[in-house]
Amino acid sequence: SYELTQPPSVSVSPGQTARITCSGDALPKKYAYWYQQKSGQAPVLVIYEDSKRPSGIPERFSGSSSGTMATLTITGAQVEDEADYYCFSTDSSGNHRVFGGGTKLTVL
Amino acid sequence: EVQLVESGGGLVKPGGSLRLSCAASGFTFTNAWMIWVRQAPGKGLEWVGRIESKSDGGTTDYAAPVKGRFTISRDDSKNTLYLQMNSLKSEDTAVYFCTTDPSTMGGVNYWGQGTLVTVSS
Repeated sequence: SYELTQPPSVSVSPGQTARITCSGDALPKKYAYWYQQKSGQAPVLVIYEDSKRPSGIPERFSGSSSGTMATLTITGAQVEDEADYYCFSTDSSGNHRVFGGGTKLTVL
Repeated sequence: EVQLVESGGGLVKPGGSLRLSCAASGFTFTNAWMIWVRQAPGKGLEWVGRIESKSDGGTTDYAAPVKGRFTISRDDSKNTLYLQMNSLKSEDTAVYFCTTDPSTMGGVNYWGQGTLVTVSS
């Protein structure tokens, strides 16, 4: 079955740039989406269609995709950005969705 | 105000069945493609399955671990999404969320608060 691969953890200091990657064979042809999940809460969509930011999401969140890798970038990460981040996409058939394994972002 | 409210979770024995409901309000449910997602305790998010809007064909698809055991359906007259879970296993223990498919709503995405399903003897 199709898989998306993320690093288990990323750590940055406040104000630094955090980059979280997601690799998958279908990403050259399928969009990536990114979710933020804080402890005990439902996920929140922070990036859709590779690089678009939903209404209400801070500008420091951006996304890009090149080849088989999508990247979520948080420019000037803040303590409140500490959370688990998941990429989400579709397999080559377009029918099955999949989440990456998640990346724990630590900002301290 | 947009709301997705899951219900129907609880404790069930291995091999048992459970039906989850997700009541939607505040948006046009009829047009929405819907997804069920689960999260086992301390683990990551897992896609369970999806259902298209009826106008787009109403097709369902399922993740391999639940295919043949779980069934997703919808009642647009009640603005409600369902997840029928049969032949439950201990590894199905998780919080189950309903959510809108982000690929079909242009950046608008709604989630319920989740309902806990525990499969244990």
